[in-house]
This record gives sequence, structure tokens and C-alpha cells, in this order.
Amino acid sequence: EVQLVESGGDLVQPGGSLRLSCAASGFTFGTYAMSWVRQAPGKGLEWVSGVSSSGASTHYADSVKGRFTISRDNSKNMVFVQMNSLRADDTAVYYCAKSSGGSEAPPIDYWGQGTLVTVSS
Amino acid sequence: SYVVTQPPSVSVAPGKTATISCGGNSIGSKSVHWYQQKPGQAPVVIIYYNTDRPSGIPERFSGSNSGSTATLTISRVEAGDEADYYCQVWDSSSDHRVFGGGTKLTVL
Repeated sequence: EVQLVESGGDLVQPGGSLRLSCAASGFTFGTYAMSWVRQAPGKGLEWVSGVSSSGASTHYADSVKGRFTISRDNSKNMVFVQMNSLRADDTAVYYCAKSSGGSEAPPIDYWGQGTLVTVSS
Repeated sequence: SYVVTQPPSVSVAPGKTATISCGGNSIGSKSVHWYQQKPGQAPVVIIYYNTDRPSGIPERFSGSNSGSTATLTISRVEAGDEADYYCQVWDSSSDHRVFGGGTKLTVL
């Protein structure tokens, strides 16, 4: 059974930093691309970032480029996102999501349950 | 960057057919995926590559894609279909995964 378990969500002040983690199990982790998708309270889904199966290719939404960094550790079946210079509009539930292929182009076939990030003073 | 547009809401009576559109420039040349999200839950893919259904998704859910509009069709709508629905494409020009704004389906 595929499982994606996010952790690291917290209340952080504007300008602060946070690192989210996602522990994956139930599939050959190093074969699939992974993404982070967020959802602000009462709003729609917003793709944040993605990383290819090898980790060699990463992509970012314009709203987070230069502030967020995605990475993965295929030896530990983990994917991370380092979030710096956080702003109030980064407040959201952050989902870890598995691509159905080795790149980010294929659809997401599994989602975690999400971790809440709140940016507020 | 590429933009996909969905109606904010669609209402339908039980047993009838609901259609949810997803518009974008030449979206017919792209692969469109659809996700269903019920309150308090993570999204679930219900249609991928325009028309394919994952195992476990009822045949009542179908998709099409042509020209500037992709469409999700839900036949014989049930109360349990009430949810938010999102279309999604991959924009190869920007290497971005793009979601539509979502459509709230209300079963009357």
C-alpha cells in the first residue's frame, strides 16, 4: 500500500523558515517523480514544486521560486521542501504527491494527507 | 504561463448528468487529468490522460478533450459525488504542473 506521510508543518513568523518532510512507502521510491502541492484555506490546489525521480531536475511555481528548495533522498525514501522568507500568503495545507511516472508530466496518483503551515505574527 | 479556467460551481439534481468544463488555449493538444476532493480529504485522481479511469472509479465518470475545452462528465449523479473537482495539465513550455481553479459540484 502506497503511503505518503508529511511532517514539519507549524506556525512560523513572516520571514521565517520551515522544512517539510514526506516519508514514502509502498512503492519503488527512486522510480517516481514527487511534487508538493498546497491549498490555502478555502482555496483551490496550487502546485508548488516538483523533483524528478533521480533528483536531477527540479521545478518551482513562480510564487515560490528563489524561496523554496525541493530535494529528495532516495536512500531514505524521503522528499523535502525547504521554505525560506515565508509570507502570509504561504499559509496552506501542503500535500506531498507522487507522480505516476519518472518525470513530473504524468498525473499524480497518490497524495499524502497534508501538513498545515501557518505564517503569522 | 499556461492558464486553465473552470466554472466555480455546478449544480445538478440526483440522477441527472453533470458536466464540468476546463478551458485553455489549445488544451486539446495537452493531456488533462481530473481530481476529486471531498471536504477534509486529499484529492483523488478520477480521470487521467483525458479519458482514462483508474481502477475503482465508476464508469459514471468520463472525460473528453478537444479544441479549447476539456470536459468531465458525471452521469447518474449521486449525493456522494458532491465535491470539488480540479482539472490539471502539464505545461511543457514552463515545466509547470497547472491546476484549474476548481469547480464545486452541488447535488440538489
